[in-house]
Amino acid sequence: QKEVEQNSGPLSVPEGAIASLNCTYSDRVSQSFFWYRQYSGKSPELIMSIYSNGDKEDGRFTAQLNKASQYVSLLIRDSQPSDSATYLCAKGNTDKLIFGTGTRLQVFP
Amino acid sequence: SQTIHQWPATLVQPVGSPLSLECTVEGTSNPNLYWYRQAAGRGLQLLFYSVGIGQISSEVPQNLSASRPQDRQFILSSKKLLLSDSGFYLCASAQYGYTFGSGTRLTVV
Repeated sequence: QKEVEQNSGPLSVPEGAIASLNCTYSDRVSQSFFWYRQYSGKSPELIMSIYSNGDKEDGRFTAQLNKASQYVSLLIRDSQPSDSATYLCAKGNTDKLIFGTGTRLQVFP
Repeated sequence: SQTIHQWPATLVQPVGSPLSLECTVEGTSNPNLYWYRQAAGRGLQLLFYSVGIGQISSEVPQNLSASRPQDRQFILSSKKLLLSDSGFYLCASAQYGYTFGSGTRLTVV
């Protein structure tokens, strides 16, 4: 079982819709979780971090964490074509950050 | 805030040639530093990380090595490149979240 699992996609949503990206992880020890956005050919950039169960909102982005279910998600409201990218989920593990393989999001006009 | 410098941006090297990629960090001291590799269409694979000068942890056995000669300098090396070493190499620094450099795209021919 992979440590961090994501559906590779692509997830296609129309402009203005809510995009929902999901991630599961394999342990009950990890305490920190991160979402990164990566445009094609570029390095990942941090969108949000979340450490506690529940929701965390930042602008159009909401991260949701459920440690009992080992599940973390990212909601993007009012999706824009500029949101089209690969979204990487990661968990903090002691001194390391372990990534999933990413979900490709396509937002069409 | 921290800034990570990586160079070169692209590199084409023949099989069997040596490699040296350098990463330097500004705006922080004693950061944890990381080398990741991303193969085409794949996720981020952690190669090495360092929690201090001279301290290197290897995640994946391979023909690569890493060194940290100074607090804010992290070097990735190989004595003889293989075709399978091709990929996008990213240096990251952990302070408040993980920040990535702009990456080096290595093609081994």
